[in-house]
This record gives sequence, C-alpha cells and structure tokens, in this order.
Amino acid sequence: KAGVTQTPRYLIKTRGQQVTLSCSPISGHRSVSWYQQTPGQGLQFLFEYFSETQRNKGNFPGRFSGRQFSNSRSEMNVSTLELGDSALYLCASAPTSGGLYNEQFFGPGTRLTVL
Amino acid sequence: GEDVEQSLFLSVREGDSSVINCTYTDSSSTYLYWYKQEPGAGLQLLTYIFSNMDMKQDQRLTVLLNKKDKHLSLRIADTQTGDSAIYFCAERGNYGGSQGNLIFGKGTKLSVKP
Repeated sequence: KAGVTQTPRYLIKTRGQQVTLSCSPISGHRSVSWYQQTPGQGLQFLFEYFSETQRNKGNFPGRFSGRQFSNSRSEMNVSTLELGDSALYLCASAPTSGGLYNEQFFGPGTRLTVL
Repeated sequence: GEDVEQSLFLSVREGDSSVINCTYTDSSSTYLYWYKQEPGAGLQLLTYIFSNMDMKQDQRLTVLLNKKDKHLSLRIADTQTGDSAIYFCAERGNYGGSQGNLIFGKGTKLSVKP
C-alpha cells in the first residue's frame, strides 16, 4: 500500500500571499489530520477531516482552513501568510475518526518558508 | 488542559541503552504513543501502549507506563547510530477541539556516539 503523500514537499512564499498544501491519504483511509511543526511550539494539531466534514479544530486563526474531497484527499490553505507560518506541515491519515484506537500514519510533510 | 512534557536532549554511546522519559497530564488518556522523526522526514509510529498496561516490549523497544505518576518511558536496548533521531511522546486528546487527536511533547533529540 502506498503511504501518505504530500505535495509540494517544499514551498517558498512571501508575506501576504496565500498557499495551498495537498495531502493524499492511504487508500481506504477516510480521516485526514493536519499538524504544524515549528521549533518553538513543537507539533500542534490544526484540524481533522472525516468524510468531507471538519470534525475537530485546533487553536489556530481563521487564516488556516482546509477541506476534504470525496476521494478523501485533503487540502489546507493559509491566507495572508505571516513569517511565523514558516513550519513543517504534516498530514496524517487514519482509517476512521475517533474510536478507541485509531492509528495515524504520517506523510513526509511540506516545508513552508515565508520570506 | 492537556500537556505532554519530555526532556529535550539525550546522548548515549553506541551499544548502551537509551531511556527517554515523558510525563502527561490527562489521566483519561487511553493510548500513549512513541513516534520517531528522522531529519527531513515525517513521523514514524514506533510503538504504543494501552492505558491498562504497565509494560510493552517489542524487539529492542520497551515501553513502561506508570499511570499513577502519569509517567511514560521508552527504553531502546543496544542503541545504534541509526537510532539517532527525535522521539516524540504523544497522547490522544480527550477534550474540546483536540478530542481524538494527538497531543505531542516537544520531542527528545537522541544522539548516539560511535
């Protein structure tokens, strides 16, 4: 089975621009979660999508948004980029959402640099 | 709120055992996880333990859970240079917007000297 794929792997943008990142989950997985990783804050949960609906959302401003398509692929968008948005954005897929045990499989991440 | 704490650095010699420690705050956590991140890569699930277990062993890895003290540890036996990476402890969130998703510690950078 192919793993979680994220595109692009690297991205450079300037302040004020917007960016869209893509994540393709493992075949058959219906849940996609997004995390932001920075040296200062570590790994922080952004949001989770399941069956095209946002199920959970972390503590991030409204500039961060996402969506999920019927084939479970997900995109996240960041508008009006700030320098502090420079981070590694990780996507994780899981077979379902919630439940007693629901292992998340992570993609390699998209490294976003905001200049 | 939920929080996971880990020490930031650990240095060991090749062949020694490594012990990475973690404390968490949410006593209702059902599963606790250890992830590994190598440079430039995403996270790889190493092992997990269910909250009703005290210990879990998987080849060179041993996880110990002290639920009373909310303390989790990962022991790597016969540590190799290929084990050099950042190790993250994580628990599943049970409250508010993070319900069902992972709450991570800041990560422990393990350096293995030959």
